Amino acid sequence: AQSVTQLGSHVSVSEGALVLLRCNYSSSVPPYLFWYVQYPNQGLQLLLKYTSAATLVKGINGFEAEFKKSETSFHLTKPSAHMSDAAEYFCAVKVLNTGNQFYFGTGTSLTVIP
Amino acid sequence: DTEVTQTPKHLVMGMTNKKSLKCEQHMGHRAMYWYKQKAKKPPELMFVYSYEKLSINESVPSRFSPECPNSSLLNLHLHALQPEDSALYLCASSQKTSWETQYFGPGTRLLVL
Repeated sequence: AQSVTQLGSHVSVSEGALVLLRCNYSSSVPPYLFWYVQYPNQGLQLLLKYTSAATLVKGINGFEAEFKKSETSFHLTKPSAHMSDAAEYFCAVKVLNTGNQFYFGTGTSLTVIP
Repeated sequence: DTEVTQTPKHLVMGMTNKKSLKCEQHMGHRAMYWYKQKAKKPPELMFVYSYEKLSINESVPSRFSPECPNSSLLNLHLHALQPEDSALYLCASSQKTSWETQYFGPGTRLLVL
């Protein structure tokens, strides 16, 4: 079975500090991986995705994520947090050839402290 | 245009009411999805339409009835809902049924009294 785990349901960082949100997946084959952001009272917005090309993926708003097969991870990072980054972040996985299934992680709420 | 629109933004309804949620996209996507999201939780898949045909129903109660009149429109008809159905209802679309990239609408926040 495929699943995705987000360690830390709440993460707090100071403005200007590094943001690191963790995502691990379990899959027997390399999946497609996604990070979505949800601002308060809004829908989900795609930040970035990995679809078996370059392992370091750059997304919008200065975020990037690195696919590490050996660690089955796809952690999201941003060098310098901004107040506007405060939101809920969801990692998601889609494994090829498993039918139409797409799994969201439980989410990480990011707080940015001024 | 990478926008998915949803109306209304907010909806309050009684348990005996009948209402509908509407979703629209003009990106030429052929897969459309309904999700339900409770506060601080990830979205839960309800329905998937592929080429205007219902392809996935995640054991959703019959008081929720989806409809896809054409490739750009997706409706969710609501009838005899329960208070526990109060949630944010999100619509999404993707180019095919491969789920590669889903584009989400802003959602309809539903309150059932």
